[in-house]
Amino acid sequence: AQKITQTQPGMFVQEKEAVTLDCTYDTSDQSYGLFWYKQPSSGEMIFLIYQGSYDEQNATEGRYSLNFQKARKSANLVISASQLGDSAMYFCAPRSNYKLTFGKGTLLTVNP
Amino acid sequence: DAMVIQNPRYQVTQFGKPVTLSCSQTLNHNVMYWYQQKSSQAPKLLFHYYDKDFNNEADTPDNFQSRRPNTSFCFLDIRSPGLGDAAMYLCATSGRKNEKLFFGSGTQLSVL
Repeated sequence: AQKITQTQPGMFVQEKEAVTLDCTYDTSDQSYGLFWYKQPSSGEMIFLIYQGSYDEQNATEGRYSLNFQKARKSANLVISASQLGDSAMYFCAPRSNYKLTFGKGTLLTVNP
Repeated sequence: DAMVIQNPRYQVTQFGKPVTLSCSQTLNHNVMYWYQQKSSQAPKLLFHYYDKDFNNEADTPDNFQSRRPNTSFCFLDIRSPGLGDAAMYLCATSGRKNEKLFFGSGTQLSVL
């Protein structure tokens, strides 16, 4: 089974500052994808960003970017210019073949 | 415009009384998933269908069954719900391998 480690159960950030959420994973697959999802208190799962294991460039989607270090099996999410609406649970989720496995998540709180 | 629809949003059942949760999709995706998410935990994959091929996770209890009568619909049956089965149940779909998953808004199951 895949092992995913998100070492920060909770993080606090001031509004408008940047924050990095850590994720490491353990896979023996050569081809895989890395996803980050956001889950606000309403419970919906919102896709944020995707990185393919063969992508040479780090993925970016608006205020979200991935710091992908394949050799270290690390895919940290960077959120720039935090907003109050960013307060939520964030899950790192590697996908291998058709299965998506979630890390335990990081609860991010953005303070005004 | 909802693409993955779960009904109902909230479901209450009695201890030991069978219950069925439903999921439908308008994306024509091959793969459909059921995840269980208990309070303050990460979503846990129960099983998934690739077309009609059923793939059960090794640690999914026998109490949980699933049906997929056609591409659009998938059902989660809990034969004899226990108090420990109270959770949010998330349905998701995906198309190609390593493509992102689209999630429904979930069904919150309570067992009395």
